[in-house]
Amino acid sequence: EAQVTQNPRYLITVTGKKLTVTCSQNMNHEYMSWYRQDPGLGLRQIYYSMNVEVTDKGDVPEGYKVSRKEKRNFPLILESPSPNQTSLYFCASTPNRLRDRGYEQYFGPGTRLTVT
Amino acid sequence: QKEVEQNSGPLSVPEGAIASLNCTYSDRVSQSFFWYRQYSGKSPELIMSIYSNGDKEDGRFTAQLNKASQYVSLLIRDSQPSDSATYLCAFHSGGYQKVTFGTGTKLQVIP
Repeated sequence: EAQVTQNPRYLITVTGKKLTVTCSQNMNHEYMSWYRQDPGLGLRQIYYSMNVEVTDKGDVPEGYKVSRKEKRNFPLILESPSPNQTSLYFCASTPNRLRDRGYEQYFGPGTRLTVT
Repeated sequence: QKEVEQNSGPLSVPEGAIASLNCTYSDRVSQSFFWYRQYSGKSPELIMSIYSNGDKEDGRFTAQLNKASQYVSLLIRDSQPSDSATYLCAFHSGGYQKVTFGTGTKLQVIP
């Protein structure tokens, strides 16, 4: 089954304790992104990746890191989580269609993170 | 000014009616536009994409794009209770994966 998976689905942690949220896709998609979703603010892009070893900042990158060592995986790293990073996080992947046409995104199930 | 504006709703329509959802955007170089549906507690799923001015129909859904006026809309005909969800518009500009989402409009279809 073609899908984007995220782990963990739920996480409660404390301020300052480093954590990683994994994202994996089995569709051989080139593009991957991370979003956070907060009430009233919608989905905001954190980082995106156009290919292995190619990443760039989205709208809200502060406090996050990413890496893309393999095409299928795009982990999100919070080196020192803070309470304002409490949010619902989505990973998404996108196939490489016609350049500049824009691409539909396939979202993972989400990770609900609480930082106390 | 926000890049994407959507009325947060809720928009309530009776079953069988046409639901009209609107979205305006400020980036004039935007090239691709999408409508996603998100059920409560679930991830967004794509329902329509549109790239050119005019209408695009897919089943009960019609997306309308007017680049000169910078708006995109979604019509849902014969609305069903299962259409009750939050609808997110999104646009993509340039050759990169920078995508901007609106905050979403909550639709309630009343049986």
